[in-house]
Amino acid sequence: RKEVEQDPGPFNVPEGATVAFNCTYSNSASQSFFWYRQDCRKEPKLLMSVYSSGNEDGRFTAQLNRASQYISLLIRDSKLSDSATYLCVVNFLGGGADGLTFGKGTHLIIQP
Amino acid sequence: NAGVTQTPKFRVLKTGQSMTLLCAQDMNHEYMYWYRQDPGMGLRLIHYSVGEGTTAKGEVPDGYNVSRLKKQNFLLGLESAAPSQTSVYFCASSKIRPPNTEAFFGQGTRLTVV
Repeated sequence: RKEVEQDPGPFNVPEGATVAFNCTYSNSASQSFFWYRQDCRKEPKLLMSVYSSGNEDGRFTAQLNRASQYISLLIRDSKLSDSATYLCVVNFLGGGADGLTFGKGTHLIIQP
Repeated sequence: NAGVTQTPKFRVLKTGQSMTLLCAQDMNHEYMYWYRQDPGMGLRLIHYSVGEGTTAKGEVPDGYNVSRLKKQNFLLGLESAAPSQTSVYFCASSKIRPPNTEAFFGQGTRLTVV
């Protein structure tokens, strides 16, 4: 069974702090990995893809650990505007169109 | 730069009524999807399509039907609405070849069945 697990939170973090959360996936034959951001009552939007070598986009860093089957998202110098739900998404190899499996999301609250 | 557009954005139905949700994308994507999102349940796939004229069942297909007569459009139908179908419905589309397989979402349809 294809599963993507996330800690639902909420993570309450003071503004300016660094926060990190992980996502684990069950299927080792996974191909593509993404972090999406979803604001309250809005659609999910792609935050960043996750590459095997890890990647950074400004204050955001994503890492992939295939051996342990998890991906991580690190947010540095957190802003109030980072408050949202972060969805981990995995595209399983050979899964076809239904290979995109979403985690239930981690709720992040940045406090002033 | 429309991307993925869903109509309507809000709807209230009475139990037993029918309706169709329309999803349109202008990115020439091959794959299209319908998800529902409920509190604590995350996004669950209802039906999907890998191309014009094709559809397939997802995780929670019961009570829904779909059609993809044109590549850019994906319709979701509820033949006889039930209160359990109260949810937020999202349409999405994507390319097929990795690594660019990320999904692009519409703004959602908030459906209430009373």
